[in-house]
Amino acid sequence: TQLLEQSPQFLSIQEGENLTVYCNSSSVFSSLQWYRQEPGEGPVLLVTVVTGGEVKKLKRLTFQFGDARKDSSLHITAAQPGDTGLYLCAGEENDYKLSFGAGTTVTVRA
Amino acid sequence: GAGVSQSPSNKVTEKGKDVELRCDPISGHTALYWYRQSLGQGLEFLIYFQGNSAPDKSGLPSDRFSAERTGGSVSTLTIQRTQQEDSAVYLCASSLFGGRRETQYFGPGTRLLVL
Repeated sequence: TQLLEQSPQFLSIQEGENLTVYCNSSSVFSSLQWYRQEPGEGPVLLVTVVTGGEVKKLKRLTFQFGDARKDSSLHITAAQPGDTGLYLCAGEENDYKLSFGAGTTVTVRA
Repeated sequence: GAGVSQSPSNKVTEKGKDVELRCDPISGHTALYWYRQSLGQGLEFLIYFQGNSAPDKSGLPSDRFSAERTGGSVSTLTIQRTQQEDSAVYLCASSLFGGRRETQYFGPGTRLLVL
């Protein structure tokens, strides 16, 4: 299993501030996914990045895949309390197997 | 439409007892996955079913763990002689075909506590 490290482990910010979450590995992945998980629920897919250097934007969320396809970042602009949750990155090992990071717990205070 | 459902939502058991966890995937999804999520850790792959193919059991942590998928739909994960380290959230997911870059849809999980 290929390891994915996420940092920071915890992040607490005030509403309106920006934040960045990182996902790093020594392995190359064919694609990388970001999920958000809320308490008592399963993870929900936010985005899949495929190409090295790719940048995808979803409203206030910006996802970047590193040129070497070993790392990724998630940037949230003007965070809102609704952005609170556990953010997980997952690298695709083969056609169906995902390797997950331990996650970053984000708390946005009103 | 209905998403992935899991039952029970919570299970408390005594060490040494057997437990069965159930997953109902999204109708029409041929691929089904089981994961384990321990506190402070990411999701750990357990097992993968796709149609009539032999399941990928490479993630099962010990022979106390087994899973079945009957009729290509409902799946049951069984843990025999439970141990305290089995305490975790067990998540099930399904996807349309199980192919590359497919979206996996997760259920809410079963929270297992072994006393």
